[in-house]
Amino acid sequence: GENVEQHPSTLSVQEGDSAVIKCTYSDSASNYFPWYKQELGKGPQLIIDIRSNVGEKKDQRIAVTLNKTAKHFSLHITETQPEDSAVYFCAASGGGADGLTFGKGTHLIIQP
Amino acid sequence: GAGVSQSPSNKVTEKGKDVELRCDPISGHTALYWYRQSLGQGLEFLIYFQGNSAPDKSGLPSDRFSAERTGGSVSTLTIQRTQQEDSAVYLCASSLGGSADEKLFFGSGTQLSVL
Repeated sequence: GENVEQHPSTLSVQEGDSAVIKCTYSDSASNYFPWYKQELGKGPQLIIDIRSNVGEKKDQRIAVTLNKTAKHFSLHITETQPEDSAVYFCAASGGGADGLTFGKGTHLIIQP
Repeated sequence: GAGVSQSPSNKVTEKGKDVELRCDPISGHTALYWYRQSLGQGLEFLIYFQGNSAPDKSGLPSDRFSAERTGGSVSTLTIQRTQQEDSAVYLCASSLGGSADEKLFFGSGTQLSVL
């Protein structure tokens, strides 16, 4: 089955700086890569996703890049704000019976 | 409803007792998922329902865990003879059709503490 590794486990950045979270996956058949944001006391919420037919996708301050050859994908957050503080999960799916496999999460801390 | 609803939000129980966790998915969503989130860990897949049937039970950690879904809507996750290692947040999610590349809508979870 799929295995997703996520780094770092904790990331602290100054407000206004950029944050980058990286994930690798093992199954070359995977073709869907979402990112979820989990705020304290809440369930995860989808913030952006990318499919294997594109290399990059942007939505305002967040972007995701995908390198299928290297089997890694990254989340980029620019001009970080206090409300960006949360736990971020990457995931990968090949569309098979296994569904989505999640990484272990990154706790992003935005320092004022 | 407006979103995925889970109850109770918190549950404290004694070791050896049985617990039932409830999930009410978004109306019309055919797929329902249960995940477990232990402290500092990722989202551990437990079970998936398509309608009332569970084609994938591979994630249930032991035979003390069971789940059912009735009427294609509400689901209950039952843990029998709870152990301390069962302490975690149990998250439920639903999606419209059940395809693996669909958006999941999560509830806020049930925090289970086994003393």
